[in-house]
Amino acid sequence: GENVEQHPSTLSVQEGDSAVIKCTYSDSASNYFPWYKQELGKRPQLIIDIRSNVGEKKDQRIAVTLNKTAKHFSLHITETQPEDSAVYFCAASKWQAGTALIFGKGTTLSVSS
Amino acid sequence: DAGVIQSPRHEVTEMGQEVTLRCKPISGHDYLFWYRQTMMRGLELLIYFNNNVPIDDSGMPEDRFSAKMPNASFSTLKIQPSEPRDSAVYFCASSFQTGTGQAGYTFGSGTRLTVV
Repeated sequence: GENVEQHPSTLSVQEGDSAVIKCTYSDSASNYFPWYKQELGKRPQLIIDIRSNVGEKKDQRIAVTLNKTAKHFSLHITETQPEDSAVYFCAASKWQAGTALIFGKGTTLSVSS
Repeated sequence: DAGVIQSPRHEVTEMGQEVTLRCKPISGHDYLFWYRQTMMRGLELLIYFNNNVPIDDSGMPEDRFSAKMPNASFSTLKIQPSEPRDSAVYFCASSFQTGTGQAGYTFGSGTRLTVV
């Protein structure tokens, strides 16, 4: 089955800096890669996703890149703000097949002002 | 829509007791997923259903765990007997299948289980 590795497990940045979180996946058939943000005591919520037919997607300060050959994808957050502090999870699945999302173990991002 | 609804929000039980967690998916969603979240293991998939039928239960830790989905609007995750290592936050999520793929993957608020 699918296995998703996520690095780093913790990341501390200064407000205004950029943050990058990286994930690798094992199943070459996976073609859907969402990122979720989880604030303390709350549910994971989707912030951005990418499908394997594109290499990059942006939404304001957030971007995700995908390298299918190397089977890795990354989340980039620019101009970080204190409210970006949370746990971020990457995930992978076979989108058309209706399979479950398999998650990485998460990255705790701390943005200090 | 009220979203995915889980109950109870918090559960404290003694070791050896039976625990039942409940989930109501979003109306019209035909997939339902159960996850367990711990600091050490992150978000682990336990089991998921499609049209009330279990598709993959390979993540269920052991025979003490069981899950059912008797109809499209209700699912339970049962632990019997419970152990302290079962303490975690249990999330339910649901999604639906469109003509081209899956959509609307949404999590409930979770149940925080503490076994003492």
